[in-house]
Amino acid sequence: DVKVTQSSRYLVKRTGEKVFLECVQDMDHENMFWYRQDPGLGLRLIYFSYDVKMKEKGDIPEGYSVSREKKERFSLILESASTNQTSMYLCASSPWGAHYEQYFGPGTRLTVT
Amino acid sequence: TQLLEQSPQFLSIQEGENLTVYCNSSSVFSSLQWYRQEPGEGPVLLVTVVTGGEVKKLKRLTFQFGDARKDSSLHITAAQPGDTGLYLCAGPSNFGNEKLTFGTGTRLTIIP
Repeated sequence: DVKVTQSSRYLVKRTGEKVFLECVQDMDHENMFWYRQDPGLGLRLIYFSYDVKMKEKGDIPEGYSVSREKKERFSLILESASTNQTSMYLCASSPWGAHYEQYFGPGTRLTVT
Repeated sequence: TQLLEQSPQFLSIQEGENLTVYCNSSSVFSSLQWYRQEPGEGPVLLVTVVTGGEVKKLKRLTFQFGDARKDSSLHITAAQPGDTGLYLCAGPSNFGNEKLTFGTGTRLTIIP
């Protein structure tokens, strides 16, 4: 079974703090993704990576950066957390293939106060 | 821009009833996937439909891909409280990259 794990299920941070969210997958998938999910707005792609050290912006990259130094690990960084970044953050991975089915982690519910 | 519209947005029914939710687009997709997300968890892949007109069954869930590959439906027979969750359809981008387009979601509640 594919397993995607995220470093924290719940996180509370203060405005202005630097926040690191980490994601690890154990299935040797090439692609990894970070989304945020907010009520009424659905899943929105922040960044994705198709290879080690490679990254591409998604739909809402502002205020975020990412790092992928190893194939199995993809980190999301909030450089200076703000209250409007309070959200559910979901990591996913997918193999190369025609359908690109994604496998998600359990999510991190981040609250910025 | 490829969009996937799901309907209804919310659905609340009694245990034992049948239901159908829909996923529609004006764009052709090479395949469509369905995910279920339980409260506080990440989405879980249920099925992928690939061929126009294809029907796949997963216990009490029946998935169909439209003939023109622009739409899909999910039918649940004799719904149970364990079916409660957010149902998302998704399809690969036609721009040759690894991204998926996700639908707007149907939030289903089964009342015991």
